[in-house]
Amino acid sequence: AQSVTQLDSQVPVFEEAPVELRCNYSSSVSVYLFWYVQYPNQGLQLLLKYLSGSTLVESINGFEAEFNKSQTSFHLRKPSVHISDTAEYFCAVRYMEYGNKLVFGAGTILRVKS
Amino acid sequence: SQTIHQWPATLVQPVGSPLSLECTVEGTSNPNLYWYRQAAGRGLQLLFYSVGIGQISSEVPQNLSASRPQDRQFILSSKKLLLSDSGFYLCAWNGPGANVLTFGAGSRLTVL
Repeated sequence: AQSVTQLDSQVPVFEEAPVELRCNYSSSVSVYLFWYVQYPNQGLQLLLKYLSGSTLVESINGFEAEFNKSQTSFHLRKPSVHISDTAEYFCAVRYMEYGNKLVFGAGTILRVKS
Repeated sequence: SQTIHQWPATLVQPVGSPLSLECTVEGTSNPNLYWYRQAAGRGLQLLFYSVGIGQISSEVPQNLSASRPQDRQFILSSKKLLLSDSGFYLCAWNGPGANVLTFGAGSRLTVL
């Protein structure tokens, strides 16, 4: 069965420190990969996506993620976080051979402390 | 530009009462529409999706139903709410063949 695992339910980090939010997915021939961000009491917003091409993708606010096919991972990183990055982050995978279903991970709450 | 609206934003209902959550999309036609439920620590669970008027696919057997009476309207309903129906409900859409979902702001339901 298709599954997406976010290993950390919460990640506390101090402001200006680096952070990595981990995402692993069940192996598949063809996948599209996404990170969404959810601020408190709001819907989800697309942060970045990998569809094809360069395995390193970036967002406009300094986040980046790297598609690693051999490790079936799509970890999200930022070299220096801000208080405003406090939010819940969801990894999602679209499995192309399973009817294009989009499967979400359980989410990781990033808490940035001053 | 395309926008998605959900209402009500918050709702407190007694057990056994009916439910209706509404979602509409503007600025596009023939969207794919989705209802997700979000429970703490469990991510997003796809409840229903629709590729056209009157076409509803259910992902999980439950106490809820969905309808699509118009091209850009998607309604989530229940005849009798259970305590376990409490949660944050998110509507989303994408264009046919598109990969990215756009989410509404969500509706928080508390069943007492």
